Amino acid sequence: EVQLVESGGGLVQPGGSLRLSCAASGFTFSSYEMNWVRQAPGKGLEWVSYISSSGSTIFYADSVKGRFTISRDNAKNSLYLQMNSLRAEDTAVYYCARDAYAFDYWGQGTLVTVSS
Amino acid sequence: QLVLTQSPSASASLGASVKLTCTLSSGHSSYAVAWHQQRPEKGPRYLMKLNSDGSHSKGDGIPDRFSGSSSGAERYLTISSLQSEDEADYYCQTWGTGIWVFGGGTKLTVL
Repeated sequence: EVQLVESGGGLVQPGGSLRLSCAASGFTFSSYEMNWVRQAPGKGLEWVSYISSSGSTIFYADSVKGRFTISRDNAKNSLYLQMNSLRAEDTAVYYCARDAYAFDYWGQGTLVTVSS
Repeated sequence: QLVLTQSPSASASLGASVKLTCTLSSGHSSYAVAWHQQRPEKGPRYLMKLNSDGSHSKGDGIPDRFSGSSSGAERYLTISSLQSEDEADYYCQTWGTGIWVFGGGTKLTVL
């Protein structure tokens, strides 16, 4: 069974940093591209970042470019999102999603709240 | 610019059928989309990938009540024999080189 489990969310002050993790199981993690998607309270889904299976190709949404860094450790079956210079508008539930020409599996999400 | 447009809300009666629409922006009518369901307080769930020719591939465990079709720049999700558990937000998604886009979502109410 495919499972994606996010962790690392919490309350952080504006300008602070946080590192999210996504633990994958039930499939060959190193064969799949991965993404982070977020959802602000009461809002729709917003794509955040993409990483290829090897980690060699990375893309970011303009809203996070220069502040967020996506990475992966295929030996540990894990995906990461390093978030720096956090703003109030980054407050959201963050989901990791497996990419097989569509986001075919999602995690349950981890809540990030940016507030003083 | 790659944009997906969805109606904010839809409603239909228990046991009936409903057809949700996702419209691709001009110049992108050949793009495939994916449909996702998000029940209240839950993470999204992949329903299907829908191609421009109407062919689609569903996710694991998705009932036959869910089907997809296409016409021009429109991508449709049809849910038949509506059940109370189908009350949810439905998002379409598409992608290009270095960009992934979601529609604004349609909130489906089952009456």
